[in-house]
Amino acid sequence: DSGVTQTPKHLITATGQRVTLRCSPRSGDLSVYWYQQSLDQGLQFLIQYYNGEERAKGNILERFSAQQFPDLHSELNLSSLELGDSALYFCASSVRPGGGYNEQFFGPGTRLTVL
Amino acid sequence: DQQVKQNSPSLSVQEGRISILNCDYTNSMFDYFLWYKKYPAEGPTFLISISSIKDKNEDGRFTVFLNKSAKHLSLHIVPSQPGDSAVYFCAAFDSGTYKYIFGTGTRLKVLA
Repeated sequence: DSGVTQTPKHLITATGQRVTLRCSPRSGDLSVYWYQQSLDQGLQFLIQYYNGEERAKGNILERFSAQQFPDLHSELNLSSLELGDSALYFCASSVRPGGGYNEQFFGPGTRLTVL
Repeated sequence: DQQVKQNSPSLSVQEGRISILNCDYTNSMFDYFLWYKKYPAEGPTFLISISSIKDKNEDGRFTVFLNKSAKHLSLHIVPSQPGDSAVYFCAAFDSGTYKYIFGTGTRLKVLA
């Protein structure tokens, strides 16, 4: 158990809909990262927050948005969903915002299926 | 534009032997490289990392080697154990952009 929780575990929805994925970081971790893993793909970095502020942005679509709240939990909002958005979405947390010895702890992921 | 590549999607090794997982990168600005292990239905877990100023880092059975001139790193697992069977991701960190770039993973199977 990494200490990072993600809800829901599974989500099935239809094209055009909007969903919200939630992440609670490990106690004491200030950074939250979101990743997308599509079938047979690596982990695609979406976005990072550090202590409530956006720190880095990856290849996140304009239909996607995220935020980190004062209690440090984070939400990833996906809207106007398309079939290609079906993927595993991972949240990770760390103490610092970056660095090689800045170990990221990953949650179990949310599996999104868009029908 | 895949900046971090793991060209072997899978690898099978006999228990007790050495497992060597490879990773190539294109961006010479990466400062750190990390390896993560992932079991099915779980998130990745951190294994080991190395700074770009070093060429080797060892932690128990796991050793990471970095060849900057070749833009290549490898993870050695000795001796390999059945519990090491998992997908291994190589990742690189760019302190200029604060981004972590992951490879597509290599599925290791250690045969008993």
